[in-house]
Amino acid sequence: QKEVEQDPGPLSVPEGAIVSLNCTYSNSAFQYFMWYRQYSRKGPELLMYTYSSGNKEDGRFTAQVDKSSKYISLFIRDSQPSDSATYLCAMSARTNAGKSTFGDGTTLTVKP
Amino acid sequence: DTGVSQDPRHKITKRGQNVTFRCDPISEHNRLYWYRQTLGQGPEFLTYFQNEAQLEKSRLLSDRFSAERPKGSFSTLEIQRTEQGDSAMYLCASLGVTSTDTQYFGPGTRLTVL
Repeated sequence: QKEVEQDPGPLSVPEGAIVSLNCTYSNSAFQYFMWYRQYSRKGPELLMYTYSSGNKEDGRFTAQVDKSSKYISLFIRDSQPSDSATYLCAMSARTNAGKSTFGDGTTLTVKP
Repeated sequence: DTGVSQDPRHKITKRGQNVTFRCDPISEHNRLYWYRQTLGQGPEFLTYFQNEAQLEKSRLLSDRFSAERPKGSFSTLEIQRTEQGDSAMYLCASLGVTSTDTQYFGPGTRLTVL
């Protein structure tokens, strides 16, 4: 079983919908939690970065971390066609913050 | 543009050939990471440098793979005797020194082994 499991999708929603993306993990050492957006054949682009538990909001994006349940979420409000991409969750331990373990991604399509 | 650059962006090679990729991190970042991503999967950690020292290697990094970071600046990843299973996107990422720094990825080098 993988250390990080991500809802595989694909996910298709109408423009303006609220999107919920989720990951679970098994390694209690993970302290840093990230969400990346990746367009086809491009490198991952960091969207949200959270340390330990709690919520973080940035514009239309909200990241939630529940360490007690080992569950993280990314919410996208008022989704736009430009949000269509693959979303990757990633997490790392404090001992090596840059050594991230990724989920396999959820492909999102927002239809106009 | 994240400030991390990789070269080449695409590489097509025949099985058995050697290939080398280059990564130029953000200049003030002392930590550099290589990842590999295959289609439909998330990136997987390969190796990590702090300055010029290679501090960790994944078991994914077979003997045919070698990475260097001379003088703690750019890094190279070489694959010898390429196999079709090496076809993937090779991603480089860099990270600064403080605990609040975030990791930035380059655009990747897409390798196709024929």
